[in-house]
Amino acid sequence: AQTVTQSQPEMSVQEAETVTLSCTYDTSENNYYLFWYKQPPSRQMILVIRQEAYKQQNATENRFSVNFQKAAKSFSLKISDSQLGDTAMYFCAFMRGGYNKLIFGAGTRLAVHP
Amino acid sequence: DGGITQSPKYLFRKEGQNVTLSCEQNLNHDAMYWYRQDPGQGLRLIYYSQIVNDFQKGDIAEGYSVSREKKESFPLTVTSAQKNPTAFYLCASSPTSVGDTQYFGPGTRLTVL
Repeated sequence: AQTVTQSQPEMSVQEAETVTLSCTYDTSENNYYLFWYKQPPSRQMILVIRQEAYKQQNATENRFSVNFQKAAKSFSLKISDSQLGDTAMYFCAFMRGGYNKLIFGAGTRLAVHP
Repeated sequence: DGGITQSPKYLFRKEGQNVTLSCEQNLNHDAMYWYRQDPGQGLRLIYYSQIVNDFQKGDIAEGYSVSREKKESFPLTVTSAQKNPTAFYLCASSPTSVGDTQYFGPGTRLTVL
Protein backbone atom coordinates (compact mmCIF):
# COMPACT_ATOMS: atom_id res chain seq x y z
CA ALA A 1 0.00 0.00 0.00
CA GLN A 2 1.10 3.51 -0.73
CA THR A 3 1.99 5.80 2.16
CA VAL A 4 2.87 9.48 2.38
CA THR A 5 5.08 10.86 5.15
CA GLN A 6 5.53 14.49 6.14
CA SER A 7 8.24 14.53 8.79
CA GLN A 8 7.86 18.15 9.87
CA PRO A 9 4.70 18.69 11.97
CA GLU A 10 5.39 22.42 12.29
CA MET A 11 7.63 25.00 10.67
CA SER A 12 8.02 28.72 10.85
CA VAL A 13 9.63 31.29 8.57
CA GLN A 14 10.11 35.03 8.45
CA GLU A 15 8.26 37.02 5.84
CA ALA A 16 10.17 37.27 2.53
CA GLU A 17 12.37 34.27 3.33
CA THR A 18 12.36 30.85 1.70
CA VAL A 19 11.13 27.66 3.32
CA THR A 20 11.11 24.03 2.19
CA LEU A 21 8.55 21.46 3.30
CA SER A 22 9.46 17.79 3.07
CA CYS A 23 7.42 14.87 1.76
CA THR A 24 8.38 11.28 1.09
CA TYR A 25 6.20 8.53 -0.26
CA ASP A 26 6.34 4.81 -0.66
CA THR A 27 5.14 3.08 -3.81
CA SER A 28 6.15 0.35 -6.21
CA GLU A 29 4.28 2.04 -9.06
CA ASN A 30 5.96 3.89 -11.90
CA ASN A 31 2.97 5.92 -13.00
CA TYR A 32 1.55 8.31 -10.42
CA TYR A 33 0.80 11.92 -9.54
CA LEU A 34 1.87 14.04 -6.61
CA PHE A 35 0.16 17.09 -5.18
CA TRP A 36 0.63 19.79 -2.59
CA TYR A 37 -2.52 21.25 -1.08
CA LYS A 38 -2.78 24.24 1.25
CA GLN A 39 -5.38 24.48 4.01
CA PRO A 40 -5.57 28.00 5.50
CA PRO A 41 -7.50 28.76 8.70
CA SER A 42 -10.71 28.82 6.64
CA ARG A 43 -10.07 25.06 6.21
CA GLN A 44 -10.75 25.04 2.47
CA MET A 45 -8.25 22.81 0.66
CA ILE A 46 -6.53 24.69 -2.15
CA LEU A 47 -4.34 23.09 -4.79
CA VAL A 48 -0.83 24.53 -4.73
CA ILE A 49 0.99 22.41 -7.26
CA ARG A 50 0.78 19.12 -9.17
CA GLN A 51 3.53 16.88 -10.55
CA GLU A 52 3.24 13.98 -12.96
CA ALA A 53 5.80 11.26 -12.17
CA TYR A 54 6.68 10.75 -15.83
CA LYS A 55 7.80 14.36 -16.15
CA GLN A 56 11.39 14.97 -15.13
CA GLN A 57 10.97 18.72 -14.99
CA ASN A 58 9.99 20.05 -11.58
CA ALA A 59 6.63 21.82 -11.48
CA THR A 60 6.48 25.51 -10.56
CA GLU A 61 3.63 27.91 -9.81
CA ASN A 62 4.79 31.45 -9.18
CA ARG A 63 6.53 31.44 -5.76
CA PHE A 64 5.94 27.71 -5.28
CA SER A 65 8.19 25.04 -6.74
CA VAL A 66 8.89 21.39 -6.07
CA ASN A 67 12.00 19.26 -5.93
CA PHE A 68 10.86 15.91 -7.29
CA GLN A 69 13.39 13.14 -6.74
CA LYS A 70 11.76 10.02 -8.17
CA ALA A 71 14.48 7.55 -7.23
CA ALA A 72 14.51 8.81 -3.65
CA LYS A 73 10.69 9.03 -3.59
CA SER A 74 10.89 12.58 -2.34
CA PHE A 75 8.64 15.51 -3.22
CA SER A 76 9.53 18.68 -1.32
CA LEU A 77 7.79 22.05 -1.69
CA LYS A 78 9.78 25.27 -1.75
CA ILE A 79 8.03 28.54 -0.99
CA SER A 80 10.03 31.60 -2.00
CA ASP A 81 9.45 35.14 -0.74
CA SER A 82 7.09 33.88 1.96
CA GLN A 83 4.03 35.99 2.63
CA LEU A 84 1.76 36.21 5.67
CA GLY A 85 -1.01 34.66 3.57
CA ASP A 86 1.07 31.50 3.20
CA THR A 87 0.34 30.64 6.82
CA ALA A 88 -1.56 27.35 6.60
CA MET A 89 -1.43 23.59 6.88
CA TYR A 90 0.25 22.03 3.86
CA PHE A 91 -0.60 18.51 2.79
CA CYS A 92 1.33 16.31 0.41
CA ALA A 93 -0.80 13.78 -1.51
CA PHE A 94 -0.21 10.80 -3.82
CA MET A 95 -2.43 9.41 -6.55
CA ARG A 96 -1.63 6.15 -8.30
CA GLY A 97 -1.90 6.28 -12.08
CA GLY A 98 -5.15 4.81 -13.39
CA TYR A 99 -6.90 5.46 -10.10
CA ASN A 100 -8.60 8.43 -8.50
CA LYS A 101 -7.84 7.91 -4.83
CA LEU A 102 -5.76 10.56 -3.09
CA ILE A 103 -3.56 9.44 -0.20
CA PHE A 104 -2.63 12.28 2.12
CA GLY A 105 0.21 12.86 4.53
CA ALA A 106 -0.51 14.15 8.04
CA GLY A 107 0.39 17.71 7.10
CA THR A 108 2.89 20.42 8.06
CA ARG A 109 1.71 23.52 9.86
CA LEU A 110 3.56 26.55 8.46
CA ALA A 111 3.59 29.89 10.26
CA VAL A 112 4.90 32.97 8.46
CA HIS A 113 5.98 35.73 10.85
CA PRO A 114 6.33 39.45 10.04
CA ASP B 1 -19.05 31.57 -10.42
CA GLY B 2 -18.12 27.92 -10.82
CA GLY B 3 -17.35 25.98 -7.70
CA ILE B 4 -18.28 23.48 -5.05
CA THR B 5 -20.68 24.35 -2.26
CA GLN B 6 -21.24 22.46 0.96
CA SER B 7 -23.97 23.06 3.47
CA PRO B 8 -24.34 23.59 6.28
CA LYS B 9 -21.00 24.97 7.45
CA TYR B 10 -21.63 23.74 11.01
CA LEU B 11 -23.92 20.88 11.99
CA PHE B 12 -24.85 19.51 15.37
CA ARG B 13 -26.41 16.11 15.88
CA LYS B 14 -27.63 14.13 18.84
CA GLU B 15 -26.40 10.61 19.24
CA GLY B 16 -28.56 8.09 17.44
CA GLN B 17 -29.68 10.49 14.71
CA ASN B 18 -28.87 10.31 11.02
CA VAL B 19 -27.75 13.51 9.33
CA THR B 20 -27.18 14.43 5.68
CA LEU B 21 -24.42 16.72 4.43
CA SER B 22 -24.97 18.48 1.14
CA CYS B 23 -22.43 18.85 -1.68
CA GLU B 24 -23.18 20.57 -4.99
CA GLN B 25 -20.88 21.45 -7.88
CA ASN B 26 -21.46 23.47 -11.05
CA LEU B 27 -18.12 22.64 -12.66
CA ASN B 28 -19.61 19.90 -14.86
CA HIS B 29 -17.24 17.41 -13.24
CA ASP B 30 -17.97 13.71 -13.61
CA ALA B 31 -16.35 12.51 -10.39
CA MET B 32 -17.13 13.49 -6.81
CA TYR B 33 -15.63 12.48 -3.47
CA TRP B 34 -16.19 12.66 0.28
CA TYR B 35 -13.30 12.92 2.73
CA ARG B 36 -13.12 13.03 6.49
CA GLN B 37 -10.51 15.06 8.38
CA ASP B 38 -9.68 14.50 12.06
CA PRO B 39 -7.36 16.71 14.13
CA GLY B 40 -3.69 16.15 13.38
CA GLN B 41 -4.43 13.88 10.45
CA GLY B 42 -4.67 14.11 6.73
CA LEU B 43 -7.84 13.44 4.79
CA ARG B 44 -9.30 9.96 4.46
CA LEU B 45 -11.61 8.88 1.65
CA ILE B 46 -15.14 7.85 2.63
CA TYR B 47 -16.91 7.35 -0.72
CA TYR B 48 -16.45 8.38 -4.33
CA SER B 49 -18.55 8.44 -7.47
CA GLN B 50 -17.20 8.36 -11.01
CA ILE B 51 -20.52 8.81 -12.79
CA VAL B 52 -24.19 9.33 -12.00
CA ASN B 53 -25.92 6.39 -10.31
CA ASP B 54 -22.60 4.78 -9.41
CA PHE B 55 -20.40 5.03 -6.32
CA GLN B 56 -17.71 3.04 -4.52
CA LYS B 57 -16.57 2.71 -0.93
CA GLY B 58 -13.36 4.37 0.15
CA ASP B 59 -11.19 3.46 3.11
CA ILE B 60 -13.62 4.38 5.90
CA ALA B 61 -17.13 3.83 4.48
CA GLU B 62 -18.62 2.08 7.51
CA GLY B 63 -21.44 4.11 9.04
CA TYR B 64 -21.85 6.34 5.98
CA SER B 65 -24.05 6.23 2.88
CA VAL B 66 -24.21 8.28 -0.33
CA SER B 67 -26.30 8.72 -3.45
CA ARG B 68 -25.55 10.19 -6.88
CA GLU B 69 -28.84 10.80 -8.64
CA LYS B 70 -27.66 13.98 -10.37
CA LYS B 71 -24.29 14.91 -11.79
CA GLU B 72 -24.20 18.08 -9.70
CA SER B 73 -25.04 16.57 -6.33
CA PHE B 74 -23.40 13.99 -4.04
CA PRO B 75 -24.98 14.03 -0.55
CA LEU B 76 -23.42 12.15 2.35
CA THR B 77 -25.51 10.63 5.14
CA VAL B 78 -23.82 9.99 8.47
CA THR B 79 -25.81 7.24 10.11
CA SER B 80 -26.17 6.31 13.75
CA ALA B 81 -23.91 3.33 13.01
CA GLN B 82 -20.90 5.65 12.66
CA LYS B 83 -19.19 5.30 16.02
CA ASN B 84 -17.22 8.54 16.05
CA PRO B 85 -18.81 10.97 13.60
CA THR B 86 -17.48 14.25 15.02
CA ALA B 87 -15.09 15.50 12.33
CA PHE B 88 -14.61 17.92 9.45
CA TYR B 89 -16.07 16.67 6.18
CA LEU B 90 -14.80 17.79 2.79
CA CYS B 91 -16.39 17.20 -0.58
CA ALA B 92 -14.33 17.30 -3.77
CA SER B 93 -14.82 16.88 -7.49
CA SER B 94 -12.65 16.25 -10.55
CA PRO B 95 -13.28 16.48 -14.31
CA THR B 96 -12.90 12.75 -14.79
CA SER B 97 -12.07 10.05 -12.33
CA VAL B 98 -8.55 9.00 -13.24
CA GLY B 99 -5.47 11.09 -12.61
CA ASP B 100 -7.29 14.40 -12.47
CA THR B 101 -6.76 17.09 -9.87
CA GLN B 102 -9.47 17.13 -7.22
CA TYR B 103 -10.98 20.47 -6.21
CA PHE B 104 -12.47 20.90 -2.77
CA GLY B 105 -15.48 22.57 -1.23
CA PRO B 106 -15.33 24.67 1.97
CA GLY B 107 -16.25 21.76 4.27
CA THR B 108 -18.82 20.97 6.97
CA ARG B 109 -17.95 20.67 10.64
CA LEU B 110 -20.12 17.96 12.25
CA THR B 111 -20.35 17.75 16.03
CA VAL B 112 -22.21 15.00 17.84
CA LEU B 113 -23.62 16.14 21.16
